[in-house]
Amino acid sequence: NAGVTQTPKFRVLKTGQSMTLLCAQDMNHEYMYWYRQDPGMGLRLIHYSVGEGTTAKGEVPDGYNVSRLKKQNFLLGLESAAPSQTSVYFCASAGPGLAKTRTDTQYFGPGTRLTVL
Amino acid sequence: AQSVTQPDIHITVSEGASLELRCNYSYGATPYLFWYVQSPGQGLQLLLKYFSGDTLVQGIKGFEAEFKRSQSSFNLRKPSVHWSDAAEYFCAVGASQAGTALIFGKGTTLSVSS
Repeated sequence: NAGVTQTPKFRVLKTGQSMTLLCAQDMNHEYMYWYRQDPGMGLRLIHYSVGEGTTAKGEVPDGYNVSRLKKQNFLLGLESAAPSQTSVYFCASAGPGLAKTRTDTQYFGPGTRLTVL
Repeated sequence: AQSVTQPDIHITVSEGASLELRCNYSYGATPYLFWYVQSPGQGLQLLLKYFSGDTLVQGIKGFEAEFKRSQSSFNLRKPSVHWSDAAEYFCAVGASQAGTALIFGKGTTLSVSS
């Protein structure tokens, strides 16, 4: 049981390049979230999903797109990266899933550190 | 507006001393409250959570937190700090509705001196 995993762990992009961050969870959770963490700002919600095939915008969605084609995966895309998107990105998931966990308790991945030059 | 405030950006505590990290929230619905800890370069680990019932909740690593509705607070405490407790601590608030995202405070960095 790996929990929530994120790929890649680190990435450096040039301005204008595109990339996709992958989040995978093996707990059969319904709910998945993408946050970004910036110094002194805490975590801010980018996008989230309440089930396979559904996505919704969070607090800071501009410049990002997401997809949830499979229940276990939540992809975050940057179509044209900007220096302002330099951040640490965290994915989280919430139940009920296999263990019937509460849907309001989120489990976090280890993060992806992205630098845009 | 819904928000979480952690008034202390950085706290230094001597090893073996007691610790209290403050958290105040503003939330329209009945709040569900969480404390997470993040060690350097790591993800977030859930320390404890409050949903209802007893307002004093116990968590992992010897931490506890007390929910005070009248003060809109959920302060984190530990009676004796260990050097390994040095990390960043985040308070978060959510709702009972399934799928509701968490609102995080900006975090408090804890340093432990010997």
